[in-house]
Amino acid sequence: DAGVIQSPRHEVTEMGQEVTLRCKPISGHDYLFWYRQTMMRGLELLIYFNNNVPIDDSGMPEDRFSAKMPNASFSTLKIQPSEPRDSAVYFCASSNRENTEAFFGQGTRLTVV
Amino acid sequence: AQSVTQPDIHITVSEGASLELRCNYSYGATPYLFWYVQSPGQGLQLLLKYFSGDTLVQGIKGFEAEFKRSQSSFNLRKPSVHWSDAAEYFCARYPPGSARQLTFGSGTQLTVLP
Repeated sequence: DAGVIQSPRHEVTEMGQEVTLRCKPISGHDYLFWYRQTMMRGLELLIYFNNNVPIDDSGMPEDRFSAKMPNASFSTLKIQPSEPRDSAVYFCASSNRENTEAFFGQGTRLTVV
Repeated sequence: AQSVTQPDIHITVSEGASLELRCNYSYGATPYLFWYVQSPGQGLQLLLKYFSGDTLVQGIKGFEAEFKRSQSSFNLRKPSVHWSDAAEYFCARYPPGSARQLTFGSGTQLTVLP
């Protein structure tokens, strides 16, 4: 398996633009997580899905952030409109059963100028 | 609230020296505990995990960690560090039987001197 695949690896956008980050989890994994990593706040869980259903989105910082999982092999995290303070590395992770480790993608480094 | 504390922001060791990275957790029940490593520009790779049983767990790359309930600790160790071990290390946890959110510590940056 190729692991968790995220795209793009790097994204530079202007403030106010819409940004969409993509994630393909490991096949057979039924949990998917979106994390954000910043120097100030470290690694934070934004939202997670189980069987394509959002379970907990309490970490989503604002209504500008939204996430979807239309099927078991694809998820998106969208920021609209983007702001400079959204600049961070966004990680997607997946796992396949209760209380086991999560496998992380290589992340998307987002820069909003 | 559950939390994970990594008291050392940055540690420097010489190649070949031993290493111990500290991790403390706070919560009533024994959590599930993990150590991840992040190399520059990369994602997080699992080094090892503890769920139950033997309190000394072996991981990849020659790492091990010991769970000590009395000290609420899960310190990571390696007897002889290699230059390629330079990276950032994260301790993480979630309580058993609960929501699956991983809570991460703030990380420890490891520098290895030649």
